[in-house]
Amino acid sequence: QSALTQPASVSGSPGQSITISCTGTSSDVGDYNYVSWYQQHPGKAPKLMIYEVSNRPSGVPDRFSGSKSGNTASLTISGLQAEDEADYYCSSYTSSSTLVVFGGGTKLTVL
Amino acid sequence: EVQLVESGGGLVQPGGSLRLSCAASGFTFNIYNMNWVRQAPGKGLEWISYISSRSSSIYYADSVKGRFTISRDNAKNSLYLQMNSLRDEDTAVYYCARSLMVMDNAFDIWGQGTMVTVSS
Repeated sequence: QSALTQPASVSGSPGQSITISCTGTSSDVGDYNYVSWYQQHPGKAPKLMIYEVSNRPSGVPDRFSGSKSGNTASLTISGLQAEDEADYYCSSYTSSSTLVVFGGGTKLTVL
Repeated sequence: EVQLVESGGGLVQPGGSLRLSCAASGFTFNIYNMNWVRQAPGKGLEWISYISSRSSSIYYADSVKGRFTISRDNAKNSLYLQMNSLRDEDTAVYYCARSLMVMDNAFDIWGQGTMVTVSS
């Protein structure tokens, strides 16, 4: 069982918006603005999409945005495109001995 | 080109050992903190270890603590993971990943991964 909870799957049509949630606790997501999001296509390495809750690395489209409320972080993808179909993972710093925790991942299907 | 290339994976019996390497190029390796992250077949990502730029701070996930050792050689632009007492559940693709300068637990550069299979 992963430390952060994500929905197993979400789907949307091209051009629509979707949101993926990531629920943690006061030991990780709730107490620290150190949430990041990764995109992973099959057989490929993960790619950083969001860091520090809502910051986008250079080269990541502004269709990708992040936010946080309480113990839950969210990734929103607007204007869905076929190439957005992938697995998405959230991650957070944790005050436990583990240091970094990931969510279980969410499979995004673009219909 | 900024790049990380892992090597050293393979098939090993339970209880055995393996040493993974990660060669860095295209950036100033000795100023970045580094990590190992693994992914079991069909499963999610699991962070397993962190080492600071000068090796002064090291952390491990509970699942590998006491069995795995992270190290680096800045003169060789290389990161290592010594894995001992391997178990079936250590079977995974192992990625080395660079920490963002501004945020240790966000990883902006990843290698292509090396597969480790623990089986008799």
